[in-house]
Amino acid sequence: EPEVTQTPSHQVTQMGQEVILRCVPISNHLYFYWYRQILGQKVEFLVSFYNNEISEKSEIFDDQFSVERPDGSNFTLKIRSTKLEDSAMYFCASTAQTDTQYFGPGTRLTVL
Amino acid sequence: AQSVSQHNHHVILSEAASLELGCNYSYGGTVNLFWYVQYPGQHLQLLLKYFSGDPLVKGIKGFEAEFIKSKFSFNLRKPSVQWSDTAEYFCAVTGAQGAYGQNFVFGPGTRLSVLP
Repeated sequence: EPEVTQTPSHQVTQMGQEVILRCVPISNHLYFYWYRQILGQKVEFLVSFYNNEISEKSEIFDDQFSVERPDGSNFTLKIRSTKLEDSAMYFCASTAQTDTQYFGPGTRLTVL
Repeated sequence: AQSVSQHNHHVILSEAASLELGCNYSYGGTVNLFWYVQYPGQHLQLLLKYFSGDPLVKGIKGFEAEFIKSKFSFNLRKPSVQWSDTAEYFCAVTGAQGAYGQNFVFGPGTRLSVLP
């Protein structure tokens, strides 16, 4: 069964550094999402992406965040200048036409 | 604004006990409802979903959920839990206007611990 994949599984970075989290959505899916889950808290929506542009974003998704689909398979989340509070699990998800979102395994981001 | 609440933060059961996890949502329209499970160290996996039709939906691993529109609820049930059901369970809602790409709103999660 096709799966959403994410790399790396764990990223450690210094505060103020830029990080890029990578996702490969399921190949025939059209909508892509990023969510985050701070340790011990609920999963929170960050951004959705369709047709090479952002379709919706939450208030968490400020100017420090950006998303890109640089080629036909990857979907990336960039954090320009990481803060301590960006430490979380970041999940990528994708959907085709069933409204069921399929989630990747997540990238654990640790900001020191 | 959309929101999802889950009744219990942490539920502890013995094996073979029956399970019911509560979920209530607030949304001004027709909804699609989901339960996701997150096993320790793993990613979110879909347990079951409701889009329309029979309000009692069956999912994987013996789970089922009942959509009660009048109560804005979508409670998850399992008649007999196993130790392997130990996980975090998330209820989620999205609008069902027929447009794709609508973000999920997740509940805070319920941690289920099943004692052997």
